[in-house]
Amino acid sequence: EPEVTQTPSHQVTQMGQEVILRCVPISNHLYFYWYRQILGQKVEFLVSFYNNEISEKSEIFDDQFSVERPDGSNFTLKIRSTKLEDSAMYFCASSVDRGSQYGYTFGSGTRLTVV
Amino acid sequence: DQQVKQNSPSLSVQEGRISILNCDYTNSMFDYFLWYKKYPAEGPTFLISISSIKDKNEDGRFTVFLNKSAKHLSLHIVPSQPGDSAVYFCAARGAGGTSYGKLTFGQGTILTVHP
Repeated sequence: EPEVTQTPSHQVTQMGQEVILRCVPISNHLYFYWYRQILGQKVEFLVSFYNNEISEKSEIFDDQFSVERPDGSNFTLKIRSTKLEDSAMYFCASSVDRGSQYGYTFGSGTRLTVV
Repeated sequence: DQQVKQNSPSLSVQEGRISILNCDYTNSMFDYFLWYKKYPAEGPTFLISISSIKDKNEDGRFTVFLNKSAKHLSLHIVPSQPGDSAVYFCAARGAGGTSYGKLTFGQGTILTVHP
C-alpha cells in the first residue's frame, strides 16, 4: 500500500536554528498538507499546498514557516528560526483530491524537539 | 475555537463488547466527518467517514452515526478487539472556500480494549 514517508523521525535542534522537515507524498497525489501535534494537544492544521502554491495556511504558519516542493517528489517544511514552542510532532499528508471520502494519507511524523 | 470536540479523553471496554466514541461539532460548514485511528509513533490512519447528508455509514465492525440536528457523531466498534486499542480522532472537513478539504480535529479519545 502506498505510503507517505517522512524524514527524519526525530530531530533535535537548538533554539534559533533552522530546520527542514522532509516528506515524500504518494506519487499520484496532488494536494499536500502539514499538520502538527504539540504533546497532549490536538492535531492542528498548518498549511495546504496545491499546484506549487499555498492554498491555505493557519495563523500558526507565520513568516518563520515555509513550504516547498523542490523537485516534484519531496515536500518540505522549513522553520527558519526555531522556538521552544515549535517542539511538536509534525505530520505530512497527501491526497488525490480535496473531496475524497477517504481524507488524506498521513506520514508517521517527525518529532521535533527544540532545546 | 473549539469546532470539533471529543469530551471523553479515554474509554475502556472489554473484548467482545461495543465501544462507542463520541464527537460534537459547532460549525455546520463541514461536508464530511472522518474518524482516524492513531498508534504511538505512527501517523493518523483513516478509518471511516460519513457525508454530511447521510446519517449512517457502516464498514465491517465500524459504524459511524451522524445526528445533524444535535451536531453530534459517534463511532461504534462491535465487537471490540484488543488490537483496536489506540487513540481515535474525530475530524471534520471544510466544505468550501479556502477551507475546502481542510481537516479540523478533535482532541482524541484513548480506547483501551481489555482481553
